[in-house]
Amino acid sequence: GNSVTQMEGPVTLSEEAFLTINCTYTATGYPSLFWYVQYPGEGLQLLLKATKADDKGSNKGFEATYRKETTSFHLEKGSVQVSDSAVYFCALSQAGTALIFGKGTTLSVSS
Amino acid sequence: DAEITQSPRHKITETGRQVTLACHQTWNHNNMFWYRQDLGHGLRLIHYSYGVQDTNKGEVSDGYSVSRSNTEDLPLTLESAASSQTSVYFCASSSGTGTEAFFGQGTRLTVV
Repeated sequence: GNSVTQMEGPVTLSEEAFLTINCTYTATGYPSLFWYVQYPGEGLQLLLKATKADDKGSNKGFEATYRKETTSFHLEKGSVQVSDSAVYFCALSQAGTALIFGKGTTLSVSS
Repeated sequence: DAEITQSPRHKITETGRQVTLACHQTWNHNNMFWYRQDLGHGLRLIHYSYGVQDTNKGEVSDGYSVSRSNTEDLPLTLESAASSQTSVYFCASSSGTGTEAFFGQGTRLTVV
């Protein structure tokens, strides 16, 4: 079945550092891929998405590129801020299936 | 503005009791989902629905049930609460596969 694997956390960075959170997936066909973010005490909200191979999703300085050849959708940001501290979830969706999430990666950014 | 709301936000119940968590969305979305969030497991799918009268089991459906009598609501029922069901529960909705899912604020359920 479909699955999502993302790097284990927590990830601890200093402000203005470069961020990468790895995400790989297993699916037949061509799923849509998502990154969601969860701030403390809140529900999840969509950060960015890509619906086909080689698409790049971007939002709030975050980027991720849909790489079908490596079945990956790694999240990157060039310069993190303290306000980026949150839990990040990679997810996939495919026709006939519900949204499936990775286990989440906790990011902590210090000033 | 359209929204998705869960109630209650917090609940403490005793082992063996029946509990129902409410989820109401005003997006007019066909798809609705229930997840539980536990440390080390991320979000796991409990049940989902693609429309009125449609329900499907997810990865961790044992001990839970849902019903969809209208577009707006998908209540989640724990038939006989167990301590293993202590968790944070999230409801979500979307207009279709590949589209953004909108999440409620979550319900923290404690079974004692």
